[in-house]
Amino acid sequence: GAGVSQSPSNKVTEKGKDVELRCDPISGHTALYWYRQRLGQGLEFLIYFQGNSAPDKSGLPSDRFSAERTGESVSTLTIQRTQQEDSAVYLCASSRLDAGPYYNEQFFGPGTRLTVL
Amino acid sequence: KNEVEQSPQNLTAQEGEFITINCSYSVGISALHWLQQHPGGGIVSLFMLSSGKKKHGRLIATINIQEKHSSLHITASHPRDSAVYICAAPLWNFGNEKLTFGTGTRLTIIP
Repeated sequence: GAGVSQSPSNKVTEKGKDVELRCDPISGHTALYWYRQRLGQGLEFLIYFQGNSAPDKSGLPSDRFSAERTGESVSTLTIQRTQQEDSAVYLCASSRLDAGPYYNEQFFGPGTRLTVL
Repeated sequence: KNEVEQSPQNLTAQEGEFITINCSYSVGISALHWLQQHPGGGIVSLFMLSSGKKKHGRLIATINIQEKHSSLHITASHPRDSAVYICAAPLWNFGNEKLTFGTGTRLTIIP
């Protein structure tokens, strides 16, 4: 079956513009995660969706970042008024929820490389 | 101090060598993930384990929950094993549990 897909694969934008990143999880995966990886650095948790429950937004770095997910389908991560420090690869992952949000194997998408000029 | 620490940061070895990458964490956990990040950036989940040992092909992961330590071993290493290996653990922080990542170990296998 299809894996996790993300679009666009690359996005170059000017400082101050808004961007929207999309993630299509694996069908049937209740949990969806967004992570960020800045150049040369480790992965950072951003936000976690669990079915129809309220998302865990505790990793979002500022109020310029928001994310939505309807049910168990597509998710979008929106960054408003982009800054140069937002440049990073944004990774999405999905998993089942049999044993809890972080106790199932996560399947990662290829990422969106965002460059803010 | 990162709550999930890996060592070494970089490792270069000859093809065929036995590889060990270590991960230690500062608080009690119930499970730990090992991930592989390819040179192109793609991330693959290798293992998720909560006790003992798991084996998949030439890869072996072990965890000692009491000692707060996990290791990833690669037997008969091959240049295609060259990648960044990342351990991650679900840790509680300010009332929320989230996956906390180590900084990764960059492995280079020389033919």
